Amino acid sequence: ETGVTQSPTHLIKTRGQQVTLRCSSQSGHNTVSWYQQALGQGPQFIFQYYREEENGRGNFPPRFSGLQFPNYSSELNVNALELDDSALYLCASSLPSGRAGDTQYFGPGTRLTVL
Amino acid sequence: ILNVEQSPQSLHVQEGDSTNFTCSFPSSNFYALHWYRWETAKSPEALFVMTLNGDEKKKGRISATLNTKEGYSYLYIKGSQPEDSATYLCAFMGGANNLFFGTGTRLTVIP
Repeated sequence: ETGVTQSPTHLIKTRGQQVTLRCSSQSGHNTVSWYQQALGQGPQFIFQYYREEENGRGNFPPRFSGLQFPNYSSELNVNALELDDSALYLCASSLPSGRAGDTQYFGPGTRLTVL
Repeated sequence: ILNVEQSPQSLHVQEGDSTNFTCSFPSSNFYALHWYRWETAKSPEALFVMTLNGDEKKKGRISATLNTKEGYSYLYIKGSQPEDSATYLCAFMGGANNLFFGTGTRLTVIP
């Protein structure tokens, strides 16, 4: 396993609610990226945090927000949930080396269902 | 939105057969190409990170090649085993540190 953990494993919410997903990165990794995988698609980049600052964002609305803490763990918050937010949410940690193409190490994901 | 395509979408092979999949990606602004192996209910496992045109990488019975000029990568599995059954994802990195994934090739190895 990668050493990246996510919680909870599954959760069910209703439209309009808010949700917080959590990710603990691999020891020593200061960068966390979040991805959304909808059914039948590949994971899509939401945003990345590097040393507690947002370091890039994909094509997701502002109701998707995040935090990174001093220990480099991270949260993904989604407000005003919509049915289309139902997906597997993956986080990945990495340690930028200055070389091209650092490996991102993924957690097992959180399955969110919005009813 | 970057277009990363993988083919075939799914594949069934007999144990012992060799097989290969394709990943197509934009040939401009190339930074790196990642391959992941993803078993059901587990975390995606990093297989290779490829950065140079003509790169070939190998890990046991699995190998990969890269052509950045024409925008494709092949993943090969020699002598497939049932434990190779998984979804194989490729992801293009075009400068920023975010990955653009294909939809994957789902491999089933029949004993």
